[in-house]
Amino acid sequence: AQTVTQSQPEMSVQEAETVTLSCTYDTSESDYYLFWYKQPPSRQMILVIRQEAYKQQNATENRFSVNFQKAAKSFSLKISDSQLGDAAMYFCAYRSVSGGSNYKLTFGKGTLLTVNP
Amino acid sequence: GAGVSQTPSNKVTEKGKYVELRCDPISGHTALYWYRQSLGQGPEFLIYFQGTGAADDSGLPNDRFFAVRPEGSVSTLKIQRTERGDSAVYLCASSPWAGKGYNEQFFGPGTRLTVL
Repeated sequence: AQTVTQSQPEMSVQEAETVTLSCTYDTSESDYYLFWYKQPPSRQMILVIRQEAYKQQNATENRFSVNFQKAAKSFSLKISDSQLGDAAMYFCAYRSVSGGSNYKLTFGKGTLLTVNP
Repeated sequence: GAGVSQTPSNKVTEKGKYVELRCDPISGHTALYWYRQSLGQGPEFLIYFQGTGAADDSGLPNDRFFAVRPEGSVSTLKIQRTERGDSAVYLCASSPWAGKGYNEQFFGPGTRLTVL
């Protein structure tokens, strides 16, 4: 079974600064998806960014980018020019590409990000 | 367009009672998922529907939990004889389909269940 570990329960950043959230995972599969989700106090999970494991190029979405290290099984999220609206719980998640459970998302425990004005 | 909606937003019940949690997926989405998020944890998979049938209910913790999706749209998660350990946020998600190939799961705002 796959596992996802987020070792930082809480992080804080000053507005306009850059912050990196860490995530490691364990899998024996060679192809899979990795995701970062944002969960504000409204509880609704919002997809921030996704990475396909077969792609060597790191995904970027505006101020959000990832550092995907497949051999190290590491998938960190960098938020540049942090904004007050970025404050939320961030979850790293894994999903298989093929096989019988390729619809299940496996989540880490989350990192609570605080943005200080 | 309308996203995934869940009702009620919050539910407080007493130990031993029966509760139903409702999920309205995005129109046209054939795949529907339920996850449970306990305090301080990430969401955990409970059950997946493809159309009307439960394709995978391996995440349901025990036989007190049951879910239906009779017409392939709205789903109801049913919990019998609730226990304090059932207190959590129950999240529902839907996607256009499930299976090989990428498709995004869109989440609802969840139902916070509190069992006293």
